[in-house]
Amino acid sequence: DTAVSQTPKYLVTQMGNDKSIKCEQNLGHDTMYWYKQDSKKFLKIMFSYNNKELIINETVPNRFSPKSPDKAHLNLHINSLELGDSAVYFCASSSRQGPTEAFFGQGTRLTVV
Amino acid sequence: DAKTTQPNSMESNEEEPVHLPCNHSTISGTDYIHWYRQLPSQGPEYVIHGLTSNVNNRMASLAIAEDRKSSTLILHRATLRDAAVYYCIPTQGGSEKLVFGKGTKLTVNP
Repeated sequence: DTAVSQTPKYLVTQMGNDKSIKCEQNLGHDTMYWYKQDSKKFLKIMFSYNNKELIINETVPNRFSPKSPDKAHLNLHINSLELGDSAVYFCASSSRQGPTEAFFGQGTRLTVV
Repeated sequence: DAKTTQPNSMESNEEEPVHLPCNHSTISGTDYIHWYRQLPSQGPEYVIHGLTSNVNNRMASLAIAEDRKSSTLILHRATLRDAAVYYCIPTQGGSEKLVFGKGTKLTVNP
């Protein structure tokens, strides 16, 4: 069983469209994240949720809206996609209890054309 | 967030030990030092973490300087599968916010 799974793995879409990326973790963790890795390979945190509540929002445009229906899921919805949104998006999860490791999904490569 | 300095790249031969250095001179007293790696076309993967004492696990060893301003990740016998970008990340208490730097790209030669 994959610990953190994201769907889809690849997403090609046109500018202006709205798309969602889904993430699920089966580790029983209470904290989930979205990270973005751009074309220069820099990994940056976008959001962090703990028990379905937003705890970190790193000045991400309002077009990006994370949604956490329950502790095991954190979906990312993106409105009005722009060329600059093209990147690899990684979902991750961890336990908030102490300095534990974070588990990352395999990533979703988003290409906006 | 503590700043880190790592070599852009390093090379090793298969089955030889690799020492990956990291300078984190602005680390605070409560920051843990995490190491992650990212294999090609995969998500980051946890390697090891420590606070003050040296740490060992099945993947690697972490040697932390006495003043905690630097640390070294040690891969005892590099394999081709260890070729990845390695990130040294000081974090406050937990892994709630991992701030990735540029990391060190490790190439392992057969």
